[in-house]
Order: sequence, then C-alpha cells, then structure tokens
Amino acid sequence: EDKVVQSPLSLVVHEGDTVTLNCSYEVTNFRSLLWYKQEKKAPTFLFMLTSSGIEKKSGRLSSILDKKELFSILNITATQTGDSAVYLCAARSQGNLIFGKGTKLSVKP
Amino acid sequence: DTGVSQNPRHKITKRGQNVTFRCDPISEHNRLYWYRQTLGQGPEFLTYFQNEAQLEKSRLLSDRFSAERPKGSFSTLEIQRTEQGDSAMYLCASSPRRANEQFFGPGTRLTVL
Repeated sequence: EDKVVQSPLSLVVHEGDTVTLNCSYEVTNFRSLLWYKQEKKAPTFLFMLTSSGIEKKSGRLSSILDKKELFSILNITATQTGDSAVYLCAARSQGNLIFGKGTKLSVKP
Repeated sequence: DTGVSQNPRHKITKRGQNVTFRCDPISEHNRLYWYRQTLGQGPEFLTYFQNEAQLEKSRLLSDRFSAERPKGSFSTLEIQRTEQGDSAMYLCASSPRRANEQFFGPGTRLTVL
C-alpha cells in the first residue's frame, strides 16, 4: 500500500532557529514529491521535486529529494512566527497525491 | 479572484440527509481533484477528473458518494444518506496538466449531526 510518512509530527522552536522536516515515501509509479503549507485553510503550494539532488529554494525555505533513499527534506532557516503552520508532504502517483499526516510547526517569539 | 473556489464553505446537516458541494477550478485547468481531510490527518484522495471524464476513484469513495463534472468545468460532489463519519473538510484542487502542482480551494467543512 502506498504511504507517505512525515517526521516529526510536531515541533516547537524559537524565532531564528533552523528546522528540518522529513518525509519518506513508498509509492508505486512515483512521479514527484510536493510540499504544501497549511494554515487553518487550504494547503498552499511550496515546492515540487522530480529529480534527485537538485535543491529548490524560495527565500528561507529549501527542499531536496533523494529518489534512491525515497525521502525528502524541507529546511526553513531563520524561522519567523509566520512560519507556524502544518507542513504537508505529498507523493504524486499517476494523477492523485498521497499525503502524509503533516508536521505541525510552532515558532515562538 | 482566479483561484479555486468552493461552495458552500460550511455545511451542517443531520444524519441521513443528502448534501452537495460545488467546486469551480482555475479557468482552463483540465484536471480536477477531490480530497477529504479530517483533523490531524493529511488530505486523502477521493477522485479526479480530466475534463469531464472521471479517471480514478479511491476505495474511500463509497456508493453513497458521487462526483460529476458534466461540462469539464465545475464539479459537484454529492453525499447521500450522510453519516457522522462523513464529517470532514472536503477539498477541491485543480491543475493544468498531470505533471503540474495542484492548487487547492478553501474547502467545504461538513458537520453531520
């Protein structure tokens, strides 16, 4: 059965800290790995990764995929209170996305 | 606003009633997806359409659930004879091609009493 596992499930840090969120997957017909941010509403898209070893960056956020070891990480540097959210990882197989449970990040001032 | 829209945003119903939700995807996105999300869980795939064709349905989509996209634009998700276990956030997403990221709407929160 296809599955996506995220760790940790929750994380509390202070502003300015750097965090690393983990995502491992076992998905047949894997196509790509996506990261979303969810703040009490619909998930908003962050990154889509299709190739191993190529880091994608957007401001303080970055992500990389390892297709051999079947995992991805999302890094957030110099965290801010506005980064507090649930971060969802999803593996795309054929058409649909298979989501993990998410990592709830809380950034304290 | 040119994003994905969903109506209603909230729905409270009594067990046994039928409910219908609507999703309007981003214009010209030919792929449309329905997901269900319960508290503390990631979204779970229900079904998806390419234009008007329903290409895949999850095992989660019981006989009480039906989805349509008659003209390849908006879609409806109907739940018949609702049960308390149907209480969840129902999310709709669209994408222009299978390989592209999916953009989510604000969701419809269903509460079955």
